[in-house]
Amino acid sequence: QVQLQESGPGLVKPSGTLSLTCAVSGGSISSSNWWSWVRQPPGKGLEWIGEIYHSGSTNYNPSLKSRVTISVDKSKNQFSLKLSSVTAADTAVYYCARGRSRTLHSYYFDYWGQGTLVTVSS
Amino acid sequence: QSVLTQPPSVSAAPGQKVTISCSGSSSNIGNNYVSWYQQLPGTAPKLLIYENNKRPSGIPDRFSGSKSGTSATLGITGLQTGDEADYYCGTWDSSLSVVFGGGTKLTVL
Repeated sequence: QVQLQESGPGLVKPSGTLSLTCAVSGGSISSSNWWSWVRQPPGKGLEWIGEIYHSGSTNYNPSLKSRVTISVDKSKNQFSLKLSSVTAADTAVYYCARGRSRTLHSYYFDYWGQGTLVTVSS
Repeated sequence: QSVLTQPPSVSAAPGQKVTISCSGSSSNIGNNYVSWYQQLPGTAPKLLIYENNKRPSGIPDRFSGSKSGTSATLGITGLQTGDEADYYCGTWDSSLSVVFGGGTKLTVL
């Protein structure tokens, strides 16, 4: 059973950089899956941030692309998120998730972390 | 404003059936499979349906999915109070990103 666990600071100052890590257990990050970050502002819906493959290939949400960096550490079986120049609008629960793409037009998240709340405030 | 459109809320009585719609365009639903997620209060989303109508192991057959053109539908039969949750549809978009619906809150009266 694959498990994902997010970790990182729960409070970030405005204009600072949000940094989170997702530890993967019960499976290899080098498997044929994509690894994503998804966020959910309080009381609102889900927003996909971006994803990474174990090779280092990435895709980002166009609306966040200029501020996002996702990286992978295969030796630690984990991947990370950095979001720069944060504002109060970036306050959200941040989830990591495993993305599966069985065919060219198929993509879904089958495993999710429990989520971690990050608040942007001075 | 979400790329995919869902009704904000739906409700039905225990034992009844409910459907939740998800509307998109040719750049997303029209050319890709749809997945559905259930988010119980205070928890992470959980995969309910993938590739339009497939259920992961452990998901009861009370949950079903379908797709036609640029719209998809989640159906839930035999409603239980434990089904009260937010439901989200999701799919891949030609902008090279994953897109979600705004979510639908299901109330079991």
